Amino acid sequence: EPEVTQTPSHQVTQMGQEVILRCVPISNHLYFYWYRQILGQKVEFLVSFYNNEISEKSEIFDDQFSVERPDGSNFTLKIRSTKLEDSAMYFCASSPGTASDTQYFGPGTRLTVL
Amino acid sequence: DQQVKQNSPSLSVQEGRISILNCDYTNSMFDYFLWYKKYPAEGPTFLISISSIKDKNEDGRFTVFLNKSAKHLSLHIVPSQPGDSAVYFCAASARRGTYKYIFGTGTRLKVLA
Repeated sequence: EPEVTQTPSHQVTQMGQEVILRCVPISNHLYFYWYRQILGQKVEFLVSFYNNEISEKSEIFDDQFSVERPDGSNFTLKIRSTKLEDSAMYFCASSPGTASDTQYFGPGTRLTVL
Repeated sequence: DQQVKQNSPSLSVQEGRISILNCDYTNSMFDYFLWYKKYPAEGPTFLISISSIKDKNEDGRFTVFLNKSAKHLSLHIVPSQPGDSAVYFCAASARRGTYKYIFGTGTRLKVLA
């Protein structure tokens, strides 16, 4: 069964450093998403991406964040200058983008900012 | 942001019995609802969904009920199995103009053998 994959599974970085989290969505899906879950809190929407542009973003997704689909398979989330409060699980998701709107999630990347 | 609420943080059920997980929402624009299961160190796994035009959807041991007037949905698992032990998240979406999901805080289900 096709699945969303994410790398790395765990990323440790120093405050102020840039990080790039990588995702490979399900191959025939058209919509891509990033969510995050701070420990003990809800899964929160960050951004959706379609046709090589951001279609929606939350207030969390400020100028420190960016997304890119650099080739036909990868979807990345970049945090330019990490803060302690960026420590969280980051989940990538994808959906077909048609009548079937279900989003399928990857296993997540645990980001730890020291 | 409390648009989707799961008021029970945990639930314990005996194997073979019914598990009922509840979810309430406040936004009347929501028209699509989903349940995800999550094991530790894994991503949310899609279980079952329901559109607001229905009031029930079944898939094997899993049934989701939607009560629009009460803004309430529930997930029934019958019979419960030890492998069902996980955190269950309710999510909702207002699909007109947005694709984002709003998640509840989750209910940790423990099925006792």
